[in-house]
Amino acid sequence: GAVVSQHPSRVICKSGTSVKIECRSLDFQATTMFWYRQFPKKSLMLMATSNEGSKATYEQGVEKDKFLINHASLTLSTLTVTSAHPEDSSFYICSARGEGGPYNEQFFGPGTRLTVL
Amino acid sequence: EDQVTQSPEALRLQEGESSSLNCSYTVSGLRGLFWYRQDPGKGPEFLFTLYSAGEEKEKERLKATLTKKESFLHITAPKPEDSATYLCAVQLTSGTYKYIFGTGTRLKVLA
Repeated sequence: GAVVSQHPSRVICKSGTSVKIECRSLDFQATTMFWYRQFPKKSLMLMATSNEGSKATYEQGVEKDKFLINHASLTLSTLTVTSAHPEDSSFYICSARGEGGPYNEQFFGPGTRLTVL
Repeated sequence: EDQVTQSPEALRLQEGESSSLNCSYTVSGLRGLFWYRQDPGKGPEFLFTLYSAGEEKEKERLKATLTKKESFLHITAPKPEDSATYLCAVQLTSGTYKYIFGTGTRLKVLA
């Protein structure tokens, strides 16, 4: 149980284009989803927290107009990188947290490698 | 300021050589501490949740313990397949359920 998928796993795009990444919880309802960015050999950096049906809460320093997050259902959240530039190249990982019980674990997707040329 | 620190940054062990990884935290209020394993190019894989000082969890060669200041991940008789980055994260009692991650320990187990 507690499986989270991400699509695509890898994307290469030209500078100036927008890229959408999907994050799905496959076997549980995710009331909260999180989006992270990870640089090589570094830990995960939280970008934003999203609750189903609400606007995302962005961490300090993260441009909300650049990284659009939508959490339209209890199983799907999307991250859109708008007008991507080479500095946006990174490994993006989502996680999901269910509701109920004392358990607060986040379950992570496999990640999306974004390369902007 | 809430802070999580992991040590060592990197660790090389011979197969069968037991060791411990440390996760120290200074936070305003701890809701839970979580351990994950991450392989290169993949998302973190959940290992353990610890909620209160004195709690211990075990899974195969791994055992996690928690005190009021730190957590240890003990690896007994490691195998090469245990090579990975091990991440700890804390969740605060206040507000959201977001994590504060440590910097990770890169473990390499040599055959």
